[in-house]
Order: sequence, then C-alpha cells, then structure tokens
Amino acid sequence: DAGVTQSPTHLIKTRGQQVTLRCSPKSGHDTVSWYQQALGQGPQFIFQYYEEEERQRGNFPDRFSGHQFPNYSSELNVNALLLGDSALYLCASSLYMGGSSYNSPLHFGNGTRLTVT
Amino acid sequence: DQQVKQNSPSLSVQEGRISILNCDYTNSMFDYFLWYKKYPAEGPTFLISISSIKDKNEDGRFTVFLNKSAKHLSLHIVPSQPGDSAVYFCAARGNNDMRFGAGTRLTVKP
Repeated sequence: DAGVTQSPTHLIKTRGQQVTLRCSPKSGHDTVSWYQQALGQGPQFIFQYYEEEERQRGNFPDRFSGHQFPNYSSELNVNALLLGDSALYLCASSLYMGGSSYNSPLHFGNGTRLTVT
Repeated sequence: DQQVKQNSPSLSVQEGRISILNCDYTNSMFDYFLWYKKYPAEGPTFLISISSIKDKNEDGRFTVFLNKSAKHLSLHIVPSQPGDSAVYFCAARGNNDMRFGAGTRLTVKP
C-alpha cells in the first residue's frame, strides 16, 4: 500500500523563478493538503484540495497556487520565489468523510526541500 | 500568532523511564487534537489523537491526556525506548482550521 509520495525531494531555485511540486496521495485518500515547514517551526497550512477544488486556504499569498487532478494527485506552484520561501514543503492526504476530513488523520509525505538563492 | 505552543524545544530521558511532552493551545474552538512523530528526512507520522469529549486516550505505550479547562494536552510514553527519539508535534483542529506546534525533540538515551 503506497503512502504519500512527493517529488522532487530537493530543489534549488533562484529568486524570481517559479516552481512546481508534485504529490500523489495515499491509496484510497481523496483529499490533499499542502504545508510549509520552515526550520525550527511546525508545519503551516497552505491549502487543501478535494474534488479538484481548493476547499480551505491558510494565510499565504496568491503566489502560492495549486491544482488537484482527477486521480487525486496534486501540484503546488509558487511564483516569483522569495528567499523566505526556502522551506520543507509537505503534502498530506486524508479521507473526506461525510463532507469533512475533520477527524481523518493526515498522512504526510517525506517532503520537498526547496532552497531559494 | 502561535495558537499551539510546545514550550520545550527538547527533552532527554533514560530508556525505560517515562517521557512527558506538553502542548498548550489558546483557541477554545479547537476540539480535536493529534500528536505526530517526525524522524529526520521523513514526513510526520500520525501517532495518536483525542477528541475534546474525552480526557484520555491510550494506545500501547502512548497515552494522550487533555485538560480542556487549562487548554493543555500531554503525551506520555511509557516505557521510553531509543527508537522513540524523534521530533514530536502536537496539532489542534477546530472550525476548519488546523495548527501545529513547533515541535519537541525527544532523545531517549540507552
């Protein structure tokens, strides 16, 4: 049973560039959430996708956008990269039960380490 | 704003003893709480959770306690094992929001 997979594992970009990160959810899961984890901090919620729509969004600028595909996989796009975007980006999947993924524990991937120079 | 706080960045205990990790929250809308464990180069792994209608949930060596009036939860690991050495995050959910603490690095010494 494949867990959550993310690609690439590491990425180095220059300020101003754009980046796309990819995530495949755990088998049987239909909801994907993206988190940013800066060094020494806990994961910060970016947004959540279900049925190919953004359902919830954290306090992140519009430079952060996403997409969910019919097979439930997802992409996170970040435009106009800033040095402060350097972080570990985590994808988590869960099951949307009864109209909410509320009590469904998140299953995380190993993350993509993004370095912006 | 830090709505979920783990005030101890690190904790060191001897193998076989109890590990107690603490977490405080400020938002009274939180009603579901989770603990995650994270090893280096891996994503966080779900450990145990508790609903606000309970004050204790146990799973093997792991027990989570919730004190709603104090807005405090704790994770007890008994007995602690060297393989438990990791970073532990508490998380709180409520009102379509989920917040994580900054984590506590637990080291269990043989």
